[in-house]
Formats: sequence, C-alpha cells, structure tokens
Amino acid sequence: DTEVTQTPKHLVMGMTNKKSLKCEQHMGHRAMYWYKQKAKKPPELMFVYSYEKLSINESVPSRFSPECPNSSLLNLHLHALQPEDSALYLCASSLLGQGAYGYTFGSGTRLTVV
Amino acid sequence: GQQVMQIPQYQHVQEGEDFTTYCNSSTTLSNIQWYKQRPGGHPVFLIQLVKSGEVKKQKRLTFQFGEAKKNSSLHITATQTTDVGTYFCAAFTGGGNKLTFGTGTQLKVEL
Repeated sequence: DTEVTQTPKHLVMGMTNKKSLKCEQHMGHRAMYWYKQKAKKPPELMFVYSYEKLSINESVPSRFSPECPNSSLLNLHLHALQPEDSALYLCASSLLGQGAYGYTFGSGTRLTVV
Repeated sequence: GQQVMQIPQYQHVQEGEDFTTYCNSSTTLSNIQWYKQRPGGHPVFLIQLVKSGEVKKQKRLTFQFGEAKKNSSLHITATQTTDVGTYFCAAFTGGGNKLTFGTGTQLKVEL
C-alpha cells in the first residue's frame, strides 16, 4: 500500500459545527503532516507529528485540533471555523528524517465553511 | 522566514515546446524537492536533489541544483498535454523539520 487516504473528500460545515478530517497510511511512515492549501497558492504547513507526537504547530488557531491515535492515523478536529478557513486540507506522510524519498500526499479534503 | 520563490508564476506553451521553471532561495539549502500538482489533484513527489551542481533526469524532465545550493530548475523537453499542472519546488526550513513549498509555476500546454 503506497497511498495516503483522506476522508471525507468534500465537507461543507457551518461556523458552529464540529467535524473531523481523517487520514490513514499503511506505509510504515512515522512522520505525518497536515497542510492547508488555498486556491492557486502553495500548500502551507500546519502540523507535524513524529512517532505519534506533535512536534511542530505552525501557530495554527486552536479551532484546529490535531490528533494522532496511532502510527497509521491522523485526525484534524474542526470547531467554530470561519469562512476564511475554507481550503483544501492535505495530509501527508514520510519516512522520518528529511523525507529523502519525498512526502506522500493524500488527495485532500475540500472544506467549505458557510 | 525563509521564502522560496519560483518564476515564472504562469507559463503557456504549445505542445512540443520546452518549459523551464526556476526556484530561488535567499539562503543555502540542504536539499530541494520537486512536486507536481495536477489541476484538482494533490502534490506528487518527483525528485530530491542534495549535492551542489547535481543534475538528475527523468525521461523528458531535467532537474538541476545550483552550485551554491540556493537555486534549482526543472526543465521539460517537448511538453505534452499530460505535463499540465503546477510545479512546486520545496525545501526544508526551520531547522530541517519543515517542508516549505515554493510559490509554484502553473504550466498550461495547448495543442
């Protein structure tokens, strides 16, 4: 298995809703990431997990809450989002270190906040 | 913070023409990676360059890392419609743990 699977593919949520994005990989990668991508912009790093522990939080607002239940799963819990949070949310994984073999990205969750 | 700039931002070519995108950093990079993102898709890893002056080829794609390790380029020979997408360079910043993407070059190929 050489894929990163993200669910759901599309999500529309209200500003008072609570939702979760899910990411799964079975490549044995011990580093996992959340990126946010706005239209026609590069992906922006949000969080880095190494060995299931949060190692980097890029000053992301607390309405985004990551969770890594085990080495194969990564969640992003969403609460009280704003319309400007609408974007493509990408999960990625890599071998630990500087990802010499590159990051493997999932197909993303396209989030719309209304 | 460290920024990695790419030029051009957009490029339209006729099928069969060559294409080059350039990536420039203000600081020395330990290595650089290249990704391709098709319209509506997700980034896909193409290659990593590590050594000063390194050149790698993948079929019609040629990747170079500058001698000073501050710039890189991706050259596509004889573009095809399947080459359409946005090409990003990416480098590790913040002590080596953050993969930061360049601004990207969007390539459109017309028949």
